[in-house]
Amino acid sequence: EVQLEQSGTEVRKPGTTVKISCKVSTSTFSDAYMHWVQQAPGKGLEWMGLVDPEDGDTLYAERFQGRVSITADTSTDTVYMALSDLRSGDTAIYFCARAPKTLGTFDYWGQGTLVTVSS
Amino acid sequence: QSALTQPASVSGSPGQSITISCTGTSSDVGGYNSVSWYQQHPAKAPKLLLFDVSNRPSGVSDRFSGSKSGNTASLTISGLQADDEAHYYCTSYTTSRTRVFGGGTKLTVL
Repeated sequence: EVQLEQSGTEVRKPGTTVKISCKVSTSTFSDAYMHWVQQAPGKGLEWMGLVDPEDGDTLYAERFQGRVSITADTSTDTVYMALSDLRSGDTAIYFCARAPKTLGTFDYWGQGTLVTVSS
Repeated sequence: QSALTQPASVSGSPGQSITISCTGTSSDVGGYNSVSWYQQHPAKAPKLLLFDVSNRPSGVSDRFSGSKSGNTASLTISGLQADDEAHYYCTSYTTSRTRVFGGGTKLTVL
């Protein structure tokens, strides 16, 4: 079974950058797009962006454009999400999610990483 | 891209059926049969219930069903059970190749 293992809780000050990892246990890393989803405390899910591990192509939600960077390392089957210029409103749980190219939607999710932004 | 519109809450008694709507535009829900539904229990990751409007992944109960008409997709849960109490989210592919979620619906089993 596919497993997505995310890095641990992070605490950052406003204006700084956080980088979260998501290691995928699968023999078909490049056969799926990898997405990141934000969930603020008590709020709903918000799509942030995706990366195609096969060629590194990315696509970001307009709301995060310019502050988010999603990358994939095919040598370690790991995806990264960096969010810069952090503000208190970025305090949230961040999930990575896999979307097989043949399926088009998210079938497996990471356990989530809590990022707290506080001065 | 605006979030898809879902009712904030719905409720039902055990054994009953409920339906949750998800309304978008012709640029997302109405334009593609790429609507999915997720169930999220507190402090858990979302779980895929339906994809491509009405298809169930292996292991998901047939009590969960989906449909779409125009710009609105719907999730129906029949034979409500206590464990169905959770938040439910729809998501759709969009013309910009991005994804958009609904605001989420809290289901209470009375």
